[in-house]
Amino acid sequence: SAVISQKPSRDICQRGTSLTIQCQVDSQVTMMFWYRQQPGQSLTLIATANQGSEATYESGFVIDKFPISRPNLTFSTLTVSNMSPEDSSIYLCSVEQYYEQYFGPGTRLTVT
Amino acid sequence: AQTVTQSQPEMSVQEAETVTLSCTYDTSESDYYLFWYKQPPSRQMILVIRQEAYKQQNATENRFSVNFQKAAKSFSLKISDSQLGDAAMYFCAYRSARGGGGSEKLVFGKGTKLTVNP
Repeated sequence: SAVISQKPSRDICQRGTSLTIQCQVDSQVTMMFWYRQQPGQSLTLIATANQGSEATYESGFVIDKFPISRPNLTFSTLTVSNMSPEDSSIYLCSVEQYYEQYFGPGTRLTVT
Repeated sequence: AQTVTQSQPEMSVQEAETVTLSCTYDTSESDYYLFWYKQPPSRQMILVIRQEAYKQQNATENRFSVNFQKAAKSFSLKISDSQLGDAAMYFCAYRSARGGGGSEKLVFGKGTKLTVNP
């Protein structure tokens, strides 16, 4: 299975600022996914990122708020822009191999 | 759209005993995958077990097994000989077997918090 790392593991940010989360995979993968997990909740898909194409966003998530880059087959970034306290969540990236998704350790974001 | 329902927000089990977590789903598709994920307090999502809908045989992974009832759209997880390290949130998830058009995404249930008592 793929090994996935995320940076930062946690951060505390002030409202109105932006944070970029990095996701690195140890092997080349076609599809990467970004999820949000609000406190005590399940995972909600933000967007799917394929290398070489624009990310596909789920209903309720927009590119201006969550811009995503996917420059190559092993790396992606998610930016949380103009943050508010409601953005306080865990953000996880995942990759798919053989119909199975493997997750990074997550980034715990707190917005004050 | 597919939905996944976990009706047990919390469950508890005594160490060394067996516990079953429930999951039902709704889909009009005939070919799909079902998964159970474990999320301990460290928040790392760990794939526990996978079931292909076209397979009649229930999947097993060591102490973890599933009871897959396709007609009833039910997919329960049985944990045998429970250990303290099994304490975690458990999420049931669905993935279409189709390719493209966003079908690769996982649809998660709300989770069941499992406590293991010594």
